[in-house]
Amino acid sequence: QQQVKQSPQSLIVQKGGISIINCAYENTAFDYFPWYQQFPGKGPALLIAIRPDVSEKKEGRFTISFNKSAKQFSLHIMDSQPGDSATYFCAASSQGGKLIFGQGTELSVKP
Amino acid sequence: DAGVTQSPTHLIKTRGQQVTLRCSPKSGHDTVSWYQQALGQGPQFIFQYYEEEERQRGNFPDRFSGHQFPNYSSELNVNALLLGDSALYLCASSLVGEREQYFGPGTRLTVT
Repeated sequence: QQQVKQSPQSLIVQKGGISIINCAYENTAFDYFPWYQQFPGKGPALLIAIRPDVSEKKEGRFTISFNKSAKQFSLHIMDSQPGDSATYFCAASSQGGKLIFGQGTELSVKP
Repeated sequence: DAGVTQSPTHLIKTRGQQVTLRCSPKSGHDTVSWYQQALGQGPQFIFQYYEEEERQRGNFPDRFSGHQFPNYSSELNVNALLLGDSALYLCASSLVGEREQYFGPGTRLTVT
């Protein structure tokens, strides 16, 4: 029940395309859902986060869509660029702050 | 504004040895969490420190222990190292009551 399941494991997108990564959770106590971007040899960087009281949040080219009834959320990267090539992690937490991470999606944006 | 810093960057230890990793939180933050990230996996929560006390703990054995100092910096200690402890150890800082956690660059531990 503590798991967060992420898909796909890897994704190849052409420059200018839309990258979509999906996550699903079981624990209804989760109330904070961040996305992190990680480059090789670096720590994860917080990209964008959402709470379950909204269905969508947009920051620049990055959008989170949240479906509370389905217990699913997704990251959309619009106008994907080669510099977006990285591993993306979804995560979830309840009160207390312990983050539960998905397994990661390796995104490659081809020029 | 300094972000989260960790030291050392890389470390090689022998099975059975002990190791200490260090973390300085982002300026203004008072809470430190430690995560273990195995190759190709998402980070796994080890424990969280606030007010110099362990507040939450993940599913890690007692070989993993920590400490937080009055200046909010933190140490992670691992005793009796196993080959399976080889991983990237990440420190994340936050402000109590806030949900955003900011990660440092990590310490790459290799156990041989």
